[in-house]
Amino acid sequence: QVQLQESGPGLVKPSQTLSLTCTVSGGSISSGSYYWSWIRQPAGKGLEWIGRIYTSGSTNYNPSLKSRVTISVDTSKNQFSLKLSSVTAADTAVYYCARRVAATSAFDIWGQGTMVTVSS
Amino acid sequence: SSELTQDPAVSVALGQTVRITCQGDSLRSYYASWYQQKPGQAPVLVIYGKNNRPSGIPDRFSGSSSGNTASLTITGAQAEDEADYYCNSRDSSGNHLDVFGGGTKLTVL
Repeated sequence: QVQLQESGPGLVKPSQTLSLTCTVSGGSISSGSYYWSWIRQPAGKGLEWIGRIYTSGSTNYNPSLKSRVTISVDTSKNQFSLKLSSVTAADTAVYYCARRVAATSAFDIWGQGTMVTVSS
Repeated sequence: SSELTQDPAVSVALGQTVRITCQGDSLRSYYASWYQQKPGQAPVLVIYGKNNRPSGIPDRFSGSSSGNTASLTITGAQAEDEADYYCNSRDSSGNHLDVFGGGTKLTVL
């Protein structure tokens, strides 16, 4: 079965770029009709969709974050990545990667999440 | 602010039925998906589409939709159903972007 695992620094300084990677195991990131997505959740708050990349490589981003977000895919490593620039304390959150099924628009598989703190 | 609106908290007596709602203009055109999140865990998909349950989700979970409101119903709530529940659908901009509701904290009494 397909599994997702986030990785990356747990601490990022203000104004720097947050970089996370999601490794897909148990299946190919290139197969099927899926959107590979990033979602975050500040402590004690709700889920916020960040953006997604389709199997073809096309991307969509949350308008509120669009100017700072880049999502890319590395099919050779079966990974996709998130870069969020110019971070502030407001970007402190648990970051999840998830698979969104194109046909149903549902996020059917989630990573366990990784906590990222923005602090000097 | 979210384009999908949920009640912040709902409670239900053990074994009774509870409905959790999600309102938004986009729900007139698109189905909602529902996720259960327990403390310290990643969300889990419980309902998608018109009323579909992923493998392993108990049949006491069901979904429905009417107008601009989607609902998640738990028939015979169990103690283990106490969790946060989030709805998700596309936004109303026409760009088919994803959006989540603010979440509902379900307490089983």
